[in-house]
Amino acid sequence: QKEVEQDPGPLSVPEGAIVSLNCTYSNSAFQYFMWYRQYSRKGPELLMYTYSSGNKEDGRFTAQVDKSSKYISLFIRDSQPSDSATYLCAMSRGGSNYKLTFGKGTLLTVNP
Amino acid sequence: DTAVSQTPKYLVTQMGNDKSIKCEQNLGHDTMYWYKQDSKKFLKIMFSYNNKELIINETVPNRFSPKSPDKAHLNLHINSLELGDSAVYFCASSVASGNNEQFFGPGTRLTVL
Repeated sequence: QKEVEQDPGPLSVPEGAIVSLNCTYSNSAFQYFMWYRQYSRKGPELLMYTYSSGNKEDGRFTAQVDKSSKYISLFIRDSQPSDSATYLCAMSRGGSNYKLTFGKGTLLTVNP
Repeated sequence: DTAVSQTPKYLVTQMGNDKSIKCEQNLGHDTMYWYKQDSKKFLKIMFSYNNKELIINETVPNRFSPKSPDKAHLNLHINSLELGDSAVYFCASSVASGNNEQFFGPGTRLTVL
């Protein structure tokens, strides 16, 4: 079993839809959970991060972590064509362990 | 005022050649990374340096050699390039503790012919 599993999609939704992106993981030592957005031919950019379990909201984006289920989600409300990108989940143990483990990414297209 | 920069952006070369990719960050971070992203977009860590010291060395052929002249720079040298080395290589940086938020460069697209 891979440490981090993410459905690669592709996912295609109409503008204004609510998008749900998910990852599962197997390593219970992960403490920090991140979502990166990567536009085509660009570097990943950090979108959201959450420490341990809980929710975090930033504008149209909400990140959820359920450590008991080893499951994390990113919700995008009122999706826009500019949200079309690959979304990568990433996790780390934090502290002096520097390694980020990424999911394979989900390609999202929001159609106008 | 780019935070993490890489050169070159594109690199096309023949099998067997040796090439280098350079990375610089002006964020004041003390940890830098090299990642490889394959054609299926899977992003995998290769190396990490903290204050010029190698701290992560994943299973990478020894044809790949990172060098950190100072904590703002991390270069990647690749010897005897092979077709399978074709990928996008990303440099990233972070602070050395806490949540390990990493900031990525724009990538270097390497094509080996």
